[in-house]
Amino acid sequence: DSGVTQTPKHLITATGQRVTLRCSPRSGDLSVYWYQQSLDQGLQFLIQYYNGEERAKGNILERFSAQQFPDLHSELNLSSLELGDSALYFCASSAHGLTIQETQYFGPGTRLLVL
Amino acid sequence: AQKVTQAQTEISVVEKEDVTLDCVYETRDTTYYLFWYKQPPSGELVFLIRRNSFDEQNEISGRYSWNFQKSTSSFNFTITASQVVDSAVYFCAYYRDDKIIFGKGTRLHILP
Repeated sequence: DSGVTQTPKHLITATGQRVTLRCSPRSGDLSVYWYQQSLDQGLQFLIQYYNGEERAKGNILERFSAQQFPDLHSELNLSSLELGDSALYFCASSAHGLTIQETQYFGPGTRLLVL
Repeated sequence: AQKVTQAQTEISVVEKEDVTLDCVYETRDTTYYLFWYKQPPSGELVFLIRRNSFDEQNEISGRYSWNFQKSTSSFNFTITASQVVDSAVYFCAYYRDDKIIFGKGTRLHILP
């Protein structure tokens, strides 16, 4: 158990809909990262938050947004869903950032299926 | 633009054999970080190692070792005396300026 929790584990929805994925980082970790893993695109970095502020942005679509709350949990919002958004969405956390000698821990992922 | 290539899509070895997973990256940057991650059949991702571009020392952790060669832009991963539990997809990644780029991954099968 990495200590990073993600809910829900599975999500099935229809095209055009909006969903929210939730992530709770390990206790004490300030950084939260979101990744998408799909058959077409492979593993992609979406976005990082550090202590409530957006820190880095990767290949995140404009239809997607995220935020990190004062209690450090994070939500990834996916809107106007398309079939191609079907993927496994991972959340990860670390104490600070990826350049520091610390481990990054991953949650179990949320599997999203858009029909 | 930066790029990470894991040319080996899939590898199968018999248990106890040594196996090396290749990772080649392209960059013009002098400062960057390289990572390896493991994704076992259960699906979760596991961080294995980080290496910064100024540290070319090889690293060993138990049966795992990493060979970073800046001259050839490679960051290869060797598993010694492989075990069935090493069966997984392994991803190499490049990181700079708060952006991370992953290779396509190498699926490793360790046969009993």
